[in-house]
Amino acid sequence: EAGVAQSPRYKIIEKRQSVAFWCNPISGHATLYWYQQILGQGPKLLIQFQNNGVVDDSQLPKDRFSAERLKGVDSTLKIQPAKLEDSAVYLCASSLVSGFIGTGYGYTFGSGTRLTVV
Amino acid sequence: AQTVTQSQPEMSVQEAETVTLSCTYDTSESNYYLFWYKQPPSRQMILVIRQEAYKQQNATENRFSVNFQKAAKSFSLKISDSQLGDTAMYFCAPVLQAGNTGKLIFGQGTTLQVKP
Repeated sequence: EAGVAQSPRYKIIEKRQSVAFWCNPISGHATLYWYQQILGQGPKLLIQFQNNGVVDDSQLPKDRFSAERLKGVDSTLKIQPAKLEDSAVYLCASSLVSGFIGTGYGYTFGSGTRLTVV
Repeated sequence: AQTVTQSQPEMSVQEAETVTLSCTYDTSESNYYLFWYKQPPSRQMILVIRQEAYKQQNATENRFSVNFQKAAKSFSLKISDSQLGDTAMYFCAPVLQAGNTGKLIFGQGTTLQVKP
């Protein structure tokens, strides 16, 4: 099966500009996640969707970050305006089955988008 | 607060030898899952091994095995017969119940270098 697709792979922007990342999960996967991974650290969950509804966005900086998942399939994460501290890899992941037991079978990750804010 | 601690930021091992990566976590829940993920320089996060907290038997997957101590909240990864391709960053990651779904939380990671 095809994996989780993310684009672009790299992005360099100036601070205060806006940027958008795209994710297409594995076909049929109900749950989609966006993680932020700062260099040398573990990923941090930003937002979790189940189908096209938000399950958890408690760690999403809502003053500058937004995300949507149209029709319960692919998703877009946007940053506006970007700050220097937003430089990170943004990982998208999906899991087939919703619910706690479903997530226990593991997540499939994309290759991420590396964002550099200068 | 639910936290995950990997106390070894960096480790190295000679090819063909055995290495153990440690992980402790904090949770008040009794039912959860535990994963080890591998992240090579390509950034692709790869699932290495999975453990269900209600199972006492330690999981094994070819050269990879875990030592799961539920009471101590410890979940270490043993890599036997290390290979150059095992060079990567390794993350300990429990899935904890959050409402009717799960939340995957990552540790800080351990960078493992396998030397020829």
